[in-house]
Amino acid sequence: DGGITQSPKYLFRKEGQNVTLSCEQNLNHDAMYWYRQDPGQGLRLIYYSQIVNDFQKGDIAEGYSVSREKKESFPLTVTSAQKNPTAFYLCASSIEGAREAFFGQGTRLTVV
Amino acid sequence: AQSVSQHNHHVILSEAASLELGCNYSYGGTVNLFWYVQYPGQHLQLLLKYFSGDPLVKGIKGFEAEFIKSKFSFNLRKPSVQWSDTAEYFCAVTPYGNNRLAFGKGNQVVVIP
Repeated sequence: DGGITQSPKYLFRKEGQNVTLSCEQNLNHDAMYWYRQDPGQGLRLIYYSQIVNDFQKGDIAEGYSVSREKKESFPLTVTSAQKNPTAFYLCASSIEGAREAFFGQGTRLTVV
Repeated sequence: AQSVSQHNHHVILSEAASLELGCNYSYGGTVNLFWYVQYPGQHLQLLLKYFSGDPLVKGIKGFEAEFIKSKFSFNLRKPSVQWSDTAEYFCAVTPYGNNRLAFGKGNQVVVIP
């Protein structure tokens, strides 16, 4: 099946640990995105990538890092510098910004 | 960076009522505009989009939206809602020629049977 796969669906980490969220797509899309969804806050853009080996900060990049070494993969690392990491994280991809974005099922991260 | 504003975060209405959700964006150049919907427990999916041409666009499930350039707005409408329209609705914008996809805070719509 074509689509976007985020794993795992639920993730628990201890405070102070870095954690990496996986996002893979087999849609051959150039653009990929990471969003954080909190109640009442909508989707806030963390990072986006328009092409392999390139990425740009979104509105809330502090405490996060990404890489885009392969077209199909865009992992997000939540570092210990992120003050409030517990959230629902969504990955998306599109052929380009003007086209429909397709979303993964999300990863709910809980830091205790 | 562009921003997207959606007001009235919580909307409650009865079946058969009309729905209008406002969306305003702050980017001054040409934009691509979208409305996405998230039904309970489901992925975000595209409801409709505007790139150019007729400013009144029609989407799935009887939804439509009107782009008013002078007001920087892209309001979503449905003449008669159903219980199954209960969902969260998000407006989104990308600047023309750029992939930066920004979302508003969303409207939580509850339709009472």
